Amino acid sequence: DGGITQSPKYLFRKEGQNVTLSCEQNLNHDAMYWYRQDPGQGLRLIYYSQIVNDFQKGDIAEGYSVSREKKESFPLTVTSAQKNPTAFYLCASSVSEGYTFGSGTRLTVV
Amino acid sequence: GNSVTQMEGPVTLSEEAFLTINCTYTATGYPSLFWYVQYPGEGLQLLLKATKADDKGSNKGFEATYRKETTSFHLEKGSVQVSDSAVYFCALIRPGAGSYQLTFGKGTKLSVIP
Repeated sequence: DGGITQSPKYLFRKEGQNVTLSCEQNLNHDAMYWYRQDPGQGLRLIYYSQIVNDFQKGDIAEGYSVSREKKESFPLTVTSAQKNPTAFYLCASSVSEGYTFGSGTRLTVV
Repeated sequence: GNSVTQMEGPVTLSEEAFLTINCTYTATGYPSLFWYVQYPGEGLQLLLKATKADDKGSNKGFEATYRKETTSFHLEKGSVQVSDSAVYFCALIRPGAGSYQLTFGKGTKLSVIP
């Protein structure tokens, strides 16, 4: 079955460490996205990529970095510069207006 | 810019009650409108959508009508079930320059009690 896989589902890291969240899709979608979800804030766009080897900042890109070396993969690195990294992170891919979301990674920084 | 405003929750209803979750939007042109649902600990699933004025989207007993005159896309269900307990997001896409970015509301948490 085609879909998006995010791993791990739960991630714990110490403050000051970088951490990379994985997102893989086998839907052959060109566009991929990373969202951050906080209680009462909805989903906010971190980064998006419309094609391999290209990506753009979203609304809250500070403290995050991404790469898009393969069509199937769009990993997100949460750097130590991100002031409040504890959140639920969702990856998505799309073709036109049809989006597919992963099941998310809950990151807790202690 | 584009924005979506939806009623704040949480909303608590008894089983078989009528549900309305209000959603209004601001966008230039003719956006497509969506309702997504998120069950606990999961990602988002498309519930329904409408792509032009007066269109009605429907799925699993939920309905929403694209009202351009009031810039609204309110979600309704005649009789909710406990299994409908989830967070509901209203969203829009205003295509431009080849981009199909979703703009979300803040979400409304629905709890249905037996």
